[in-house]
Amino acid sequence: QVQLQESGPGLVKPSQTLSLTCNVSGGSINSGYYYWSWIRQPAGKGLEQIGRIYSSGSTNYHPSLKSRVTISVDMSNNQFSLKLSSVTAADTAVYYCARGYSYGFLDYWGQGTLVTVSS
Amino acid sequence: DIQMTQSPSTLSASVGDRVTITCRASQSLSSRLAWYQQKPGKAPKLLIYKASSLQSGVPSRFSGSGSGTEFTLTISSLQPDDFATYYCQQYSSFSHTFGQGTKLEIK
Repeated sequence: QVQLQESGPGLVKPSQTLSLTCNVSGGSINSGYYYWSWIRQPAGKGLEQIGRIYSSGSTNYHPSLKSRVTISVDMSNNQFSLKLSSVTAADTAVYYCARGYSYGFLDYWGQGTLVTVSS
Repeated sequence: DIQMTQSPSTLSASVGDRVTITCRASQSLSSRLAWYQQKPGKAPKLLIYKASSLQSGVPSRFSGSGSGTEFTLTISSLQPDDFATYYCQQYSSFSHTFGQGTKLEIK
């Protein structure tokens, strides 16, 4: 059974960089069948896919966040990471990591982690 | 970006009811659409992929249909565990956009 677990600071100051890691267990992150994604959800609002990374290393980012986002993979530790720079209060949200199947739907999700941007 | 519009935004229903949620896309998706269920404080759970394929372990009272730009999620007989928020998501274009969600409430 694949499991994903987010980790990282729950509080980030404005203008700093938000950094989260997603640890994947129960399956290899180095599989051509899957991609690895970050999604966020502000309180009381809907879901927004921040971006994704494929096993080839190629990435896709949401157009509105592209200038601030980096997603990377650490094959040796079976985990992937999110960095979001120059954060503001608008970046306060629950951040989820998830596995995507074959360029499509998201079949496994982490439990989510709340990140608050505040001084 | 492809825009996804769900209707209704809120739906009140009773246990045993048959309910349908609609998702419309601004461009054709073929069948590249998924449905998710989310309960408060929990991560979304995949219910349906490829518009009508039931994810393993999901009860058969859930079904999906449609293609192109109009899709539906149907719950044939509502159970107490089904009261939640439902999201559609397209994975046809570069940005995999979600609908705004439909909250299914107990009447």
